[in-house]
Amino acid sequence: EAQVTQNPRYLITVTGKKLTVTCSQNMNHEYMSWYRQDPGLGLRQIYYSMNVEVTDKGDVPEGYKVSRKEKRNFPLILESPSPNQTSLYFCASSFNGVYNEQFFGPGTRLTVL
Amino acid sequence: AQKITQTQPGMFVQEKEAVTLDCTYDTSDPSYGLFWYKQPSSGEMIFLIYQGSYDQQNATEGRYSLNFQKARKSANLVISASQLGDSAMYFCINAGGTSYGKLTFGQGTILTVHP
Repeated sequence: EAQVTQNPRYLITVTGKKLTVTCSQNMNHEYMSWYRQDPGLGLRQIYYSMNVEVTDKGDVPEGYKVSRKEKRNFPLILESPSPNQTSLYFCASSFNGVYNEQFFGPGTRLTVL
Repeated sequence: AQKITQTQPGMFVQEKEAVTLDCTYDTSDPSYGLFWYKQPSSGEMIFLIYQGSYDQQNATEGRYSLNFQKARKSANLVISASQLGDSAMYFCINAGGTSYGKLTFGQGTILTVHP
């Protein structure tokens, strides 16, 4: 089944404890991206990757890192999480850039205490 | 930076009636795309429709159509014959332009369909 998977789906952690949220797609998509969703703000783009080894900042990259070492995976890294990073996170992928249908993962709900 | 505005935080519609969800965007780029996605209470993001800035005709996908008025910079979603399952949050999204990898979301509109 063609899909975008994220792990974990739920995570409660404490301030300062490094964590990684994984994102993987099995559709051979070039483009991948990360978003956070907060009430009243819609989704905001954190980082995106046009293809392997190419990443760029979205609108809210502060406090996050990403890497794209292989086509299928695009992990989101929080080196030192803070409570203001408590949010619902989505990963998405598409065949080739932003002018194609974006396939979203199921979301990861992160709580930072 | 691109900006997307959805002025209707919430909308109500009677089952089987049509409803229009408003979206205006602000970009100076000649090339861009516009999406609508649906997010039901279960949380997943569901693709509805896409319109490219150079497309001559309004996009349609089943009961969904996009009323694209380029000069007014509006991209309203029209849902015909609403169903109870249409109750969800709806996001308008601007894609690309000079920020070729970026997607900018509106704040969303919560649609409630009454029986």
